[in-house]
Parts: sequence; C-alpha cells; structure tokens
Amino acid sequence: QSALTQPPSASGSPGQSVTFSCTGTSSDVGGYNYVSWYQQHPGRAPKLMIYEVNERPSGVPDRFSGSKSGNTASLTVSGLQAEDEADYYCSSYAGSNNLVFGGGTKLTVL
Amino acid sequence: EVQLVQSGAEVKKPGESLKISCKDSGYSFTSYWIGWVRQLPGKGLEWMGIIYPGDSKTKYSPSFQGQVTISADKSITTAYLQWSSLKASDTAMYYCARRLTETPAFDTWGQGTLVTVSS
Repeated sequence: QSALTQPPSASGSPGQSVTFSCTGTSSDVGGYNYVSWYQQHPGRAPKLMIYEVNERPSGVPDRFSGSKSGNTASLTVSGLQAEDEADYYCSSYAGSNNLVFGGGTKLTVL
Repeated sequence: EVQLVQSGAEVKKPGESLKISCKDSGYSFTSYWIGWVRQLPGKGLEWMGIIYPGDSKTKYSPSFQGQVTISADKSITTAYLQWSSLKASDTAMYYCARRLTETPAFDTWGQGTLVTVSS
C-alpha cells in the first residue's frame, strides 16, 4: 500500500482559513469513511484531531473540520491561531485491518 | 486518565536485538487495539502494525512484516515492539497508540521511544 498524498506545506495568516488535502485511492480514502487527521508539534507525539472524516474528539476546537470527496479528504482549520502551526497527517483505513498515513503537511502561521 | 508510557531511549549497534515497551494505565488494556508507528528523523508517520492484547491477534503493515515482532503481555498491561537484528535504517522515533474501539483512529499516544542504531 502506498502512502496517501499530502502537499508538503501550507500557510495562512492569523484569523484566516486553510485547507489541506489528502489524496488516496478507492482502496483506502475512497473506499471507507475512516479518514483521520493528526496534529504534531515539534518534539511531541501526534494528537488526534478528526476521525471518521468529520468527527472531532472531545476537546478539539470546532475550528477544525474534515470532509471527503471521492478519493480525496480535506482538513480545514478556520480562524488560524499561532498554536495551530504544526505538522498535519492524514490516515485512512485500507481494508483488512490495514492503515496508511499521508506524508504530512507543515502548516506555517504567518 | 488514559495513558501509555513507553520505555526510554535506546542506543544499539547494528545486528543487536531490541525490545521496547508500551505500558497502559487507566483503561481496560485487553479491550483496545494497540498500534505502533514509526517516524524516521525529519520524516512522516508510518503505520507498522497493530495488536489486540485480549487475544494477541496481530496485523502487520506489508512494509514491516517480517522486520519486527509485535506482542503483548496482558498480565502486566504492556505491549512490545521488537527487532532480532537491528539496522542503521531502524534509527527512528517509535510511538505506540491506542485505537478507538469502533473506528481505526488512534486517540491516545505514548510519548515515543527514540531508537538509535549506530556502530
């Protein structure tokens, strides 16, 4: 299974919105509503931000939202804040208890 | 509070064996899948495999099948990741993480174990 495709970088100014994409295939992203998004600050463990395409765990601000269309999932961060600067990884179920991650997108808050 | 506590950093030589651990506290260890994720220096996350401590059923990523062994000891609520013969290319941060019950997402992560393999 190949890694999901994410753009390497994205940026936005405080208060703006930014959207990241995550492209897979019909065998992963397109085949299941099991896309998750993780935030990782430097030197820290990843943190679950979105699961099942658009569900937020308790404690995650509603500024974070997810969606999916075909083989591409997206994460939108609205009202950008300085603390949102981090790496963001998508993952998808790929059948038979397999999982695949994307290469990650580095978000810079200008 | 659910917590996964991993063993400390390791420095090993190529060819040596290693077993790192991930101990849970605060939840029913045998009722959740535990996964392992590799992060090479400066790189992204890679799913390695997963284990269900209740019956030790495991699933490996094709990329890691045969390269590592995932196990668990439910009597001490600890999961393990081990290598029989390390390579320099195994140098990385390794995370364990708990998978949510009904969906393949990891909601609780260990702090990570840094493994350095160098002659």
